[in-house]
Amino acid sequence: EVQLVQSGAEVKKPGESLKISCKGSGYSFTSYWIGWVRQMPGKGLEWMGIIYPGDSDTRYSPSFQGQVTISADKSISTAYLQWSSLKASDTAMYYCARRSYYGSTESSFDIWGQGTMVTVSS
Amino acid sequence: DIQMTQSPSSLSASVGDRVTITCQASQDISNYLNWYQQKPGKAPKLLIYDASNLETGVPSRFSGSGSGTDFTFTISSLQPEDIATYYCQQYDNLLFMYTFGQGTKLEIK
Repeated sequence: EVQLVQSGAEVKKPGESLKISCKGSGYSFTSYWIGWVRQMPGKGLEWMGIIYPGDSDTRYSPSFQGQVTISADKSISTAYLQWSSLKASDTAMYYCARRSYYGSTESSFDIWGQGTMVTVSS
Repeated sequence: DIQMTQSPSSLSASVGDRVTITCQASQDISNYLNWYQQKPGKAPKLLIYDASNLETGVPSRFSGSGSGTDFTFTISSLQPEDIATYYCQQYDNLLFMYTFGQGTKLEIK
């Protein structure tokens, strides 16, 4: 079964660092881009960035550039999203998603992780 | 940057109704447009890719159309299990950027 499994919920204090993970299985992890999407409480979906685990080519949304770091370890089929200094405004659900090769545009996300809830509070 | 305007933001309809959601891009995006369904507490699910192609396993009452700047998502006969928030998503292949619409929360009357 093709799936992305994310790490568990986190509760952190402002200023702390954090790295959450997304492990792929059931497919060639190095051959598909993995994106990260934020959903703040009660709000919509926001694309944060994307990485190609095969060569670690990474692109960021301008809104998140410099705020987070996306990385991957292809040896263990895992992508990461990390913060060096969390803020209360980082409180959100974070999803990883696999970019598909469907159709002519190959622009959709066909497999999603279950989400990781990050709560930042003093 | 390409802006996406999705409407309405919320919608109430009866079982069996035809439901339509629109998404408008600020510039021509060809068919780089996808639709997702998100049920409460769950991850989004891909329904339609490349504006009009039905994802495998998705019921045929869901459909999409459009090209360029104007896109439509339709549920031909609303079912109780369709209660969810629906999002459009576009891809700018020149800037390598993705943008989601604001979402449409669909409720049963």
